[in-house]
Amino acid sequence: GDSVTQMEGPVTLSEEAFLTINCTYTATGYPSLFWYVQYPGEGLQLLLKATKADDKGSNKGFEATYRKETTSFHLEKGSVQVSDSAVYFCALRSSGGGADGLTFGKGTHLIIQP
Amino acid sequence: GAVVSQHPSWVICKSGTSVKIECRSLDFQATTMFWYRQFPKQSLMLMATSNEGSKATYEQGVEKDKFLINHASLTLSTLTVTSAHPEDSSFYICSARAGGSSLGNEQFFGPGTRLTVL
Repeated sequence: GDSVTQMEGPVTLSEEAFLTINCTYTATGYPSLFWYVQYPGEGLQLLLKATKADDKGSNKGFEATYRKETTSFHLEKGSVQVSDSAVYFCALRSSGGGADGLTFGKGTHLIIQP
Repeated sequence: GAVVSQHPSWVICKSGTSVKIECRSLDFQATTMFWYRQFPKQSLMLMATSNEGSKATYEQGVEKDKFLINHASLTLSTLTVTSAHPEDSSFYICSARAGGSSLGNEQFFGPGTRLTVL
């Protein structure tokens, strides 16, 4: 079955540091890939997505590129802020149909220190 | 826009009782709602998919008689955990998908409900 593996946390960085959160996946066909962010006390919010190979999703300074050859969708940001502290989830939706639920990674807790 | 709420945000119950969790789409009509379950330090696991007016589709290994899902309207889905036991203690999260609208295929998530069974 489909699966998503992302780096374990917590990840602690200083403000303005470069961020990479690794995500790799296993799926048949051509899944859509997502990054969600969960701030304390809130629901998951879609951060960015990519629906086909070599697509780059970007939002709020974050970006991730759909790499089919390495089955990866690593999240990057050039300069993190304290407000980026949250839990980040990598997820995929299989190519079987639009109504399918998502398959999530375990989440990575990001802590940004001033 | 595209806000999903859950009620209650947390609940504590005795073993053997039933608990109902509500998931509402506040400003859009959700043709499809999803229920997920999350154990500590684990990923969200899809439990079931429900379409308005039809029976829910459960993932393999999820007991449909234990986790009753009702999606009676385009803005409300409920998950009832029947005869709850301590192993049912978990974080339950719903999401809603509008479909066929400007919101497209995106799923919008509720804040989750923490269930603790004593």
